[in-house]
Amino acid sequence: ETGVTQTPRHLVMGMTNKKSLKCEQHLGHNAMYWYKQSAKKPLELMFVYNFKEQTENNSVPSRFSPECPNSSHLFLHLHTLQPEDSALYLCASSMEPSVSETQYFGPGTRLLVL
Amino acid sequence: SQQGEEDPQALSIQEGENATMNCSYKTSINNLQWYRQNSGRGLVHLILIRSNEREKHSGRLRVTLDTSKKSSSLLITASRAADTASYFCATVQTGANNLFFGTGTRLTVIP
Repeated sequence: ETGVTQTPRHLVMGMTNKKSLKCEQHLGHNAMYWYKQSAKKPLELMFVYNFKEQTENNSVPSRFSPECPNSSHLFLHLHTLQPEDSALYLCASSMEPSVSETQYFGPGTRLLVL
Repeated sequence: SQQGEEDPQALSIQEGENATMNCSYKTSINNLQWYRQNSGRGLVHLILIRSNEREKHSGRLRVTLDTSKKSSSLLITASRAADTASYFCATVQTGANNLFFGTGTRLTVIP
């Protein structure tokens, strides 16, 4: 266990559904991240939150909406997704608000969009 | 793009042998990190090497960094079946706040 938990672990949703992914870190870290891992593609950084403030949005479509109510919790709200959004969504955290530092990853949520 | 590229894409060895994976990147970096991922799970950080370092060790892992060639290697000595996983390098470009991952090397260690 890395101290980062994600729920649900698996999710199947239709293109008209609205769902949310949850991430929680128990490490006292100040930065949290969302990544997308698609088959045969490099891991893609989606969002970065430092001290609850979003500092990076790597051109992610608006159908993905992050929320960081406090430094321990991070959500990814999903609506009107496309089948190509099916992927493993990974959450990570780090002590310092910099991607240069070691990141601790959760187990991921396997998302299937039908 | 800045993404690292691992080589080989897949590697299969016998238990006890050494495994070497390589990573190449394109621009100047602050540091380079290696991560491991078991099938369908999250990534686990293995080792971080900074741009002013040339070699680093951690247990059975040895990482080298050659900034002149823009390349890094990860050596796992005396491999075990439990080392079977995908290994990724990730780079932080100088002045950027993004971590670029490669597509990984899939290592299989045969008992």
